[in-house]
Amino acid sequence: AQSVTQLDSQVPVFEEAPVELRCNYSSSVSVYLFWYVQYPNQGLQLLLKYLSGSTLVKGINGFEAEFNKSQTSFHLRKPSVHISDTAEYFCAVSRSNDYKLSFGAGTTVTVRA
Amino acid sequence: SQTIHQWPATLVQPVGSPLSLECTVEGTSNPNLYWYRQAAGRGLQLLFYSVGIGQISSEVPQNLSASRPQDRQFILSSKKLLLSDSGFYLCAWSVIGTTDTQYFGPGTRLTVL
Repeated sequence: AQSVTQLDSQVPVFEEAPVELRCNYSSSVSVYLFWYVQYPNQGLQLLLKYLSGSTLVKGINGFEAEFNKSQTSFHLRKPSVHISDTAEYFCAVSRSNDYKLSFGAGTTVTVRA
Repeated sequence: SQTIHQWPATLVQPVGSPLSLECTVEGTSNPNLYWYRQAAGRGLQLLFYSVGIGQISSEVPQNLSASRPQDRQFILSSKKLLLSDSGFYLCAWSVIGTTDTQYFGPGTRLTVL
């Protein structure tokens, strides 16, 4: 089975500064990779996904992520954050022959003025 | 476009009482359906998934059960709630037969006292 590790549980960052959220996974088969965002007391919203093709994936709200197969990583980045980016971010993995997602424990991003 | 509804939004129940949470999807046919639980400070735990009416797979043994009486309706139930059942319950759907994106509902906050 695959597993997902989000290396940072809390990331404080100042407004307009860059942010990187780290995600590593383990799997013996090909995977699909996802980043979701969750605002307080809401469901999860898809930020971006990697299924195949270009390893640099651009998503909504100015986020992007890079799939690195050799390092089994899928780190999320944004060059300049806003107060509204304060939320919890989840990395998720599914196997290419499975219906299920495995989620990381989440990273809470707090953006300060 | 597709939408997913969950109700109730919040629920406070005493220990030992029954539970019924409902999830419905609009705008798609034959979706895969999922129930997740998010406990405080933890990631998402897949509880059940369904690939069709009456087809339920359980991921974690517990006192919860799920049913799919109609194509786009997914119900999470319990006969007797435990304190440990408290959490944020999320329903999700995806296109059947693929491992593509899961789309999440707004969630139900359950507090068991």
